Amino acid sequence: DAGITQSPRYKITETGRQVTLMCHQTWSHSYMFWYRQDLGHGLRLIYYSAAADITDKGEVPDGYVVSRSKTENFPLTLESATRSQTSVYFCASRVDREGETQYFGPGTRLLVL
Amino acid sequence: GQQLNQSPQSMFIQEGEDVSMNCTSSSIFNTWLWYKQDPGEGPVLLIALYKAGELTSNGRLTAQFGITRKDSFLNISASIPSDVGIYFCAGRTSGTYKYIFGTGTRLKVLA
Repeated sequence: DAGITQSPRYKITETGRQVTLMCHQTWSHSYMFWYRQDLGHGLRLIYYSAAADITDKGEVPDGYVVSRSKTENFPLTLESATRSQTSVYFCASRVDREGETQYFGPGTRLLVL
Repeated sequence: GQQLNQSPQSMFIQEGEDVSMNCTSSSIFNTWLWYKQDPGEGPVLLIALYKAGELTSNGRLTAQFGITRKDSFLNISASIPSDVGIYFCAGRTSGTYKYIFGTGTRLKVLA
């Protein structure tokens, strides 16, 4: 399917476990982003990537790791999950020169017990 | 860090009424954006603003980039039930792709 997809859509894990959230886009967009959404905070940028092998920290990067070996994929890893990382995670992508339109994925709902 | 204060946090309105919401920042932005998020989905861009004082419309939606570059406003005219959702403002500083989002305004429309 064309567009931006995230997997899994729902995940329950335990404190201390490693979790990887996947993001895949079919447009070959240069820029990709990871956000978390929590009540009272809106969306907060975790990491973003300008191209394959180029990543940079956002507002709340601690406890997360990203990689971008291929343009279309941008996985987000929680190295040792904590309860405070319970959240809804959104991936987004955008074309470098198409204004400000970020296309968001459907989100992954993560619960850390 | 930068913060965006968005108000009101929530509002209930009657169908057909006009809606106003705003967003203020502690620092200057070069770009202001307004998004809408429906339940269970990711945000969708409604309007992008690039210049202080700019007024831009998208159907029944009108947004303005504040003169001070520290605020922005969104108006929805003649609201309809499908306007229900959460509206977010977001700002970006020139030279970076870091978007700062507001906390959202939850809109409910009573038919």
